[in-house]
Amino acid sequence: DVKVTQSSRYLVKRTGEKVFLECVQDMDHENMFWYRQDPGLGLRLIYFSYDVKMKEKGDIPEGYSVSREKKERFSLILESASTNQTSMYLCASSLYVFNTEAFFGQGTRLTVV
Amino acid sequence: GESVGLHLPTLSVQEGDNSIINCAYSNSASDYFIWYKQESGKGPQFIIDIRSNMDKRQGQRVTVLLNKTVKHLSLQIAATQPGDSAVYFCAENTDGNKLVFGAGTILRVKS
Repeated sequence: DVKVTQSSRYLVKRTGEKVFLECVQDMDHENMFWYRQDPGLGLRLIYFSYDVKMKEKGDIPEGYSVSREKKERFSLILESASTNQTSMYLCASSLYVFNTEAFFGQGTRLTVV
Repeated sequence: GESVGLHLPTLSVQEGDNSIINCAYSNSASDYFIWYKQESGKGPQFIIDIRSNMDKRQGQRVTVLLNKTVKHLSLQIAATQPGDSAVYFCAENTDGNKLVFGAGTILRVKS
């Protein structure tokens, strides 16, 4: 089974802090994704990566950056956390670039106070 | 623009009945669709997918129907069980490797 692991289930951070969300997958997948999930809005894509050191902006990249130094690890960075970044963050990976399912981690619920 | 939406935000069904969850999509170029199930406290889990060259695909107790003419997708769950209670998302592959998700439908199964 594919396993996508997010380092934290729950995080509470202060406004202005730099926040790192870590994600690791164990199936040698090429593609990795970061989504945020908010009630009534579904999952919105923040950033994705289709190879090591490669990244592409998703639909809502503002206020975020990412890092992919190794194939199995994809980090989401909030440079200066704000209260409107309080959300559920979901990491996912997929094997192929086109038309393939994505496997999700269990999510990190981030609260910015 | 690209968007995926759901007709019913909440669906309540009696245990043993069949469930139908609907989804409308707006991008006629989308060629791949997925249904995900998300239980409380967990990440979305793949249920079934369908490519645009098909109009029906069946899995175990689930069937996905695709109507490209009206850009409509549905998920049918046979003999709904309490363990089916979850939020269900449809997603479409619109731009190569990007999945666009709908807002989700809550399925509640009454015993």
